[in-house]
Order: sequence, then C-alpha cells, then structure tokens
Amino acid sequence: DSGVTQTPKHLITATGQRVTLRCSPRSGDLSVYWYQQSLDQGLQFLIQYYNGEERAKGNILERFSAQQFPDLHSELNLSSLELGDSALYFCASSPGVLGNQPQHFGDGTRLSIL
Amino acid sequence: AQSVSQHNHHVILSEAASLELGCNYSYGGTVNLFWYVQYPGQHLQLLLKYFSGDPLVKGIKGFEAEFIKSKFSFNLRKPSVQWSDTAEYFCAVNAGLTGGGNKLTFGTGTQLKVEL
Repeated sequence: DSGVTQTPKHLITATGQRVTLRCSPRSGDLSVYWYQQSLDQGLQFLIQYYNGEERAKGNILERFSAQQFPDLHSELNLSSLELGDSALYFCASSPGVLGNQPQHFGDGTRLSIL
Repeated sequence: AQSVSQHNHHVILSEAASLELGCNYSYGGTVNLFWYVQYPGQHLQLLLKYFSGDPLVKGIKGFEAEFIKSKFSFNLRKPSVQWSDTAEYFCAVNAGLTGGGNKLTFGTGTQLKVEL
C-alpha cells in the first residue's frame, strides 16, 4: 500500500461525457502529480500541484483540468471525452517539489470510453 | 527536453538467470534517476533511486542499478531472478523544471517474464 488513494478504480462512460477522478496523497505530502498510461503513449505526465498551486504542466489536453484543494486532495476533470481518452490514470504524491524526492503512486483509475 | 530509452521491450528468462535491463536518458544537466516496477494489476512501486554519490545503488528485492554518467545510462541488474519478478519495469528521470515544478519522464517499459 503506497498510501496514495484513488477513486474510483474503474469508470465506464460514453463519448462526450465528463468525469472526475479523485486522489488523496500520502499523509504529509504536499505535491500531487497526474499521469496517463495508455498502450500507444506509455506513461505521460499531465500536471503537478504543490500545496494548492499548479507547478508544472505536461501533455495535458485543454479538455482536461485539475485542481488541488486545501485538504490537499486533488481532482482531475476530463470533459468531452473521446475514445482515445481510454487509459489508466495514475496519481502520485511526494513531500515537496524537489526532483530527488521519489513519487509514490496510487492504484490508478481505469477509464473506459464506449 | 528530457527523454528516456529502454531498449528491451520484452525479456523472457528462466528462474535463476541474471537480468540486465538497459536504460539511457537524454539530458545534459543534473538528473535524478529511478526504476519503478509494476506487477500485473498493481500500481507502480519504487525499486531504487539515484541522486548523487556512489553510482552503484541497491534497491529492494535484490535489484541494483549502475549510473554511468559518460554513457547517460542507468541499467538495472539482478544476479538471479525469481518467478515473482515477472512484471513491467520502468526507468524514469526527473530533471526538474523551471518554475520549481518537477515531473517524471518514463521510458516505454520492459515486460519481464520469468519462467519456472
């Protein structure tokens, strides 16, 4: 158990819909990261938040957005879903923003678009 | 931009065989290097990390990796694999970003299958 909690574990929805993925970081961790894992793109960094503020942005589509709340949990919102958004979405956390701090991953949310 | 290459996409070994998985990264500055393992249906788990100091680092479950700066490499090794090592292995680099953020850039992964 990594201490990072993601809900839901599985999500099945249709094209054009909107979903929200939730992540609770390890106790004491202030940074939250979102990654997308798909067969064709591999593991791709989406976005990082630190203590409520966006710190880094990767290959995140404009249809996707995220936020980190005062209690440090984070949500990733995916809208106008397309078939290609089907993937495993991982959340990770680390204590701060230093690159030498390992990121600890949750179990992921498997998103299937029908 | 940083990038990571893992040369072996699929590796099949018999139990007790030795393992070496290649990883090369592309970045000219200071890097932090990681190996993660993903067992079937599970989350990514940290195997080992390198920040500085001794280039030979030891991780969990008998794994070790050697950082060779001149070759931009960080290969993963294990002297004797077990059936339970069957998993996907990811090499990752974190080089930091302007603005104080950071991200992991992952290789494409190596699927290891250990046969009895």
